This record gives sequence, structure tokens and C-alpha cells, in this order.
Amino acid sequence: KNEVEQSPQNLTAQEGEFITINCSYSVGISALHWLQQHPGGGIVSLFMLSSGKKKHGRLIATINIQEKHSSLHITASHPRDSAVYICAPYGGSQGNLIFGKGTKLSVKP
Amino acid sequence: NAGVTQTPKFQVLKTGQSMTLQCAQDMNHNSMYWYRQDPGMGLRLIYYSASEGTTDKGEVPNGYNVSRLNKREFSLRLESAAPSQTSVYFCASRQDRDTEAFFGQGTRLTVV
Repeated sequence: KNEVEQSPQNLTAQEGEFITINCSYSVGISALHWLQQHPGGGIVSLFMLSSGKKKHGRLIATINIQEKHSSLHITASHPRDSAVYICAPYGGSQGNLIFGKGTKLSVKP
Repeated sequence: NAGVTQTPKFQVLKTGQSMTLQCAQDMNHNSMYWYRQDPGMGLRLIYYSASEGTTDKGEVPNGYNVSRLNKREFSLRLESAAPSQTSVYFCASRQDRDTEAFFGQGTRLTVV
């Protein structure tokens, strides 16, 4: 069983839709990253959070440490949001990142 | 502010050739990491350096060596490249545990 499970694996949305990507993990963690990767591109950190909720523009990330679950929401989605979104908690004895396989989002105009 | 810089961005090697991937960060971070990304899999940790002067194996270290040259630089060496090492390699750094990680733009390596 993977330590980090993301759902859905693939998501197609129409421009303007509200999008939710979920992440569940089985290890004890101290914090979690949400990362964005555009096709053929580098990896950018969207959020790092250890509790509650963070908001940046149209993106909102929430985490429940006790339930071992985090969500990434995108409001008023836009084609430029098309990318792979990766959940990556910090876990293990060294607190290294553990990566989910990513959710591929495609937003159609 | 350059952040994390990787070189080269693209590389094609023949089986058995060697090469070194370079990574440098200008944020005075203590910890640096090398990952590989393969289709259908999450990023996997190859090696990391929790602080200057230390290196440790990650999940998939076989076929690789690393050097933490100084606080800024962390290189990854393939001594005898194999087709199974065809991948996208990412370098990352962070200050300490539970601090934000920053990633380089990646090196796309093909071994033929």
C-alpha cells in the first residue's frame, strides 16, 4: 500500500469549475506540501501547511493531521491551472518528503 | 534570486558513460536532495544531505554517488549509466526539518 494516496488520478474540468484534489497518507507527519508541475516543467511549491487552512489567490489547502487527510481546492478554475498536482507529506525519521503519484488536471476553456 | 539551479537541463548518454549532474542553491539551506521522477510513479529519493559534510542513501541509491561539495552545491554522479537510469532528476533544498522545500527545474536524462 502506498504511503500517500491521491484522488482522483486524472481530472478534467470546464473553465470556472470548483476543483478538489484529495490526499490521504498513512504515516505520521509534521507538515505537508502541495506542489504543482506543468508539463515538461519544474516543480513549484504551492503550500506548506501543518494545520488548518491556507489560501493563496484561487487556491485553498486544508489539512487534518489527526485524520491524515489534506485537500487542495481551486476556485474558478482556468486553463492555466492545467498541471499535475502532487501531495508530499514530511514523514519518517528524517522528516523527508514522501510523494504521491500526482493528480493530472486538465481545465478546458 | 535564482533559488535552486540544476545543470544540465537535458542530456543523452550512451550505456556505460559517466556524468555528473550539478545542483546549487543560493538560499543558505542546510539540507539538499536528489530525486528521480518516472512515469506513473511519485518522486523517489536517491540521496540526501541533511547538512554540509553528510550524505545518506534514500530509497533508490544503487548506481549513483553524491558529493556535498560545500553548503551550496550537491552533485549526483552516474559512474556507468544504464537505460534504467533514464528519468527526470530533480534537486531540492530546504533549511531544516519542517521548512519549505524548493526544487530545481529538473534534468531530463536519456540513456541509450
